[in-house]
Amino acid sequence: KAGVTQTPRYLIKTRGQQVTLSCSPISGHRSVSWYQQTPGQGLQFLFEYFSETQRNKGNFPGRFSGRQFSNSRSEMNVSTLELGDSALYLCASSWGERNTEAFFGQGTRLTVV
Amino acid sequence: AQSVSQHNHHVILSEAASLELGCNYSYGGTVNLFWYVQYPGQHLQLLLKYFSGDPLVKGIKGFEAEFIKSKFSFNLRKPSVQWSDTAEYFCAVRYGGATNKLIFGTGTLLAVQP
Repeated sequence: KAGVTQTPRYLIKTRGQQVTLSCSPISGHRSVSWYQQTPGQGLQFLFEYFSETQRNKGNFPGRFSGRQFSNSRSEMNVSTLELGDSALYLCASSWGERNTEAFFGQGTRLTVV
Repeated sequence: AQSVSQHNHHVILSEAASLELGCNYSYGGTVNLFWYVQYPGQHLQLLLKYFSGDPLVKGIKGFEAEFIKSKFSFNLRKPSVQWSDTAEYFCAVRYGGATNKLIFGTGTLLAVQP
């Protein structure tokens, strides 16, 4: 079956703009989590959604937001982009509400100039 | 605070050498433990996981890990590495069991020389 699909794969934005990233989980999976990966900070948790409800949020400013739709697809939005937001954004999907294996997408590489 | 430490940031080995990568986590009660691998240009893939039971866990590609509860450790091992094992390895912990949230270590970059 198809894996986790993230779009777009690459994105270049200017400081102050906003961006929306998309994640389509594996068919049947209802949980989606987002992570930010940078060389300095490694992989940091952003949000977790299950059945359209945000269950956990990481320690990121309010400029970072997300949502999940009824078909389990998820989007994350970053407003007022800063240079430090340049990173690889990874989405992971899991079939269940808790304690289930996470499958990762290839990520969206965001560059803020 | 919940945290995961990987002490080896960059490891260089020759083919056929043995590998052990360290992972320690902070105390937090019930934990699920994972090792992920990221090959160059590819997505994160699960190598192995520990939820309960036998503390010696076998994963894919000949990797294994041992959960030592008293040391809060979950070290990754492979008896004989290959050039194709060149990748970045991440230890991850799920605390509490009521979530799918993972806390990752900073990763270990492994380079295997032929």
